[in-house]
Amino acid sequence: AQTVTQSQPEMSVQEAETVTLSCTYDTSESDYYLFWYKQPPSRQMILVIRQEAYKQQNATENRFSVNFQKAAKSFSLKISDSQLGDAAMYFCAHSGTSGTYKYIFGTGTRLKVLA
Amino acid sequence: AAGVIQSPRHLIKEKRETATLKCYPIPRHDTVYWYQQGPGQDPQFLISFYEKMQSDKGSIPDRFSAQQFSDYHSELNMSSLELGDSALYFCASSSGTGGKTQYFGPGTRLLVL
Repeated sequence: AQTVTQSQPEMSVQEAETVTLSCTYDTSESDYYLFWYKQPPSRQMILVIRQEAYKQQNATENRFSVNFQKAAKSFSLKISDSQLGDAAMYFCAHSGTSGTYKYIFGTGTRLKVLA
Repeated sequence: AAGVIQSPRHLIKEKRETATLKCYPIPRHDTVYWYQQGPGQDPQFLISFYEKMQSDKGSIPDRFSAQQFSDYHSELNMSSLELGDSALYFCASSSGTGGKTQYFGPGTRLLVL
């Protein structure tokens, strides 16, 4: 069974600085998808970035980028030029490519941005 | 762009009552997922539907049932409610052409008293 682990319950970053959130996963599949979702106080789940396992190139979306290490089963999120609006809970999620594509989430990392 | 719609947004029920949560996926999305997020927890997969057929089932209690209708909207029916059912219930939708990225609705907050 797939598992997703986020070992940092809480992280802090100064405004305009860079922070990296860690995520490791375990899967027996060779092809799969990985995601980072942001959950602000409103509790809406907002897609931040997605990575397809067969693509070696790391995904980037504006200030957000990932470091995908397939062999190490690691998928970290880097947030550059942190803004106050980035403060939220961040969830890492895994989805397989066989069956139903349901998400397995990590336990989340709460990010605080300090002014 | 159209998003996933969930109703109601908030629901208060007594123990042993029944609740029905509704989800309207993004137009042309063929798959609907339901997740339950307890306080301070990550979302847990309950059940999914693809083209109106149940496609997978997770940790969904027998007291819960769901279906997807011909217009692709989905309903989650919860009976004999327990205090532990108090949670945020998300519906998400995806399409095959979108690489199965799931787009979440705002959730329904259920409080069981």
